[in-house]
Amino acid sequence: EPEVTQTPSHQVTQMGQEVILRCVPISNHLYFYWYRQILGQKVEFLVSFYNNEISEKSEIFDDQFSVERPDGSNFTLKIRSTKLEDSAMYFCASRVPGQVYDGYTFGSGTRLTVV
Amino acid sequence: KQEVTQIPAALSVPEGENLVLNCSFTDSAIYNLQWFRQDPGKGLTSLLLIQSSQREQTSGRLNASLDKSSGRSTLYIAASQPGDSATYLCAVRSNFGNEKLTFGTGTRLTIIP
Repeated sequence: EPEVTQTPSHQVTQMGQEVILRCVPISNHLYFYWYRQILGQKVEFLVSFYNNEISEKSEIFDDQFSVERPDGSNFTLKIRSTKLEDSAMYFCASRVPGQVYDGYTFGSGTRLTVV
Repeated sequence: KQEVTQIPAALSVPEGENLVLNCSFTDSAIYNLQWFRQDPGKGLTSLLLIQSSQREQTSGRLNASLDKSSGRSTLYIAASQPGDSATYLCAVRSNFGNEKLTFGTGTRLTIIP
């Protein structure tokens, strides 16, 4: 069964450093997403990406965040200057519309720890 | 603004019992609803997807129902097994044009052998 792949599974970074979280969505999917889950809290929407541009973003997704699809397979989330409160599990997801199954497929997540 | 609530927050049942997890949402104008399973420290595994026009979906021992007008969905697990122990999340996608999922806080399920 096709999977969404995320790397690394766990990243530790110092406050103020830049991090890039990587995702390989399912190959025929067209919509890509980032969500995050702070420990003990709900999964929260960050951003959606379609046709090489952001289609929707939440209030969490401020100027320190950016997304990119640099080639035909990877989808990245960059955090420019990490803060302690950015520590969370970050999930990538993808979706293909117009199919019988129009749901999200999530990756296994990257646990980001900012120290 | 869509709000999704899951009750109970935690549930422990003996192995073999049938159980029901509840999900409620405040805005009935939904496109679909998806149930996920999350193991500790792990990702989200999709269990069932119900479109807004459907009343229920079944997969193996799992059955999800949807009552859009009352803003409720249930996940029924038959003949529970210890391997079913996990956190179960429901997520609602609002009508077309708003793609994001709004998640509930989850129900942490423990099946006692």
